[in-house]
Amino acid sequence: DAGVTQSPTHLIKTRGQQVTLRCSPISGHKSVSWYQQVLGQGPQFIFQYYEKEERGRGNFPDRFSARQFPNYSSELNVNALLLGDSALYLCASSRTRMSNQPQHFGDGTRLSIL
Amino acid sequence: QQQVKQSPQSLIVQKGGISIINCAYENTAFDYFPWYQQFPGKGPALLIAIRPDVSEKKEGRFTISFNKSAKQFSLHIMDSQPGDSATYFCAALNSGGYQKVTFGTGTKLQVIP
Repeated sequence: DAGVTQSPTHLIKTRGQQVTLRCSPISGHKSVSWYQQVLGQGPQFIFQYYEKEERGRGNFPDRFSARQFPNYSSELNVNALLLGDSALYLCASSRTRMSNQPQHFGDGTRLSIL
Repeated sequence: QQQVKQSPQSLIVQKGGISIINCAYENTAFDYFPWYQQFPGKGPALLIAIRPDVSEKKEGRFTISFNKSAKQFSLHIMDSQPGDSATYFCAALNSGGYQKVTFGTGTKLQVIP
């Protein structure tokens, strides 16, 4: 089975622009979570979506938004990009939304803001 | 606010030696503690996980030790190999109905031949 796939792998934007990142979960997985990983740090939780509804949100500004589609794929949108948004954005999927379910991570989208 | 503290930041171990990474948490609501392994250019991969009602869990060369009263847990990698060279993250979750994984700051492990 294919793992979690994310696109694009790399992206370069300028300050003030908007960006959309995409994630396809493992087949059969209904939960998708998004994380931001700044270089040299651990991933920080942004959102969890399950059955197309937001189930959890981390400490990120409203410039960050996401949605989940009927096929369980997901998009992360970031508006009014700042230099500090430069990071690796990771998507993780799991079968259910429960905390003890293993999460499988994709290899991320590397976002660079100039 | 960092809720999971991890040490050391980096670690160099000889091949065949034992690698030890330590973590401490503050939030007593945490009830699931996974460890992730991340290679450069890759996403984190789940290595092993433990619940606080268990003091030790072993899977192959990887062992988690858990001290609930001290709110500390650690990863031991026995017979460390060069292929184990990666960044390791401890993490914690609570059963709050959603999967918010709180990660530690990471330990970069280098195993030298």
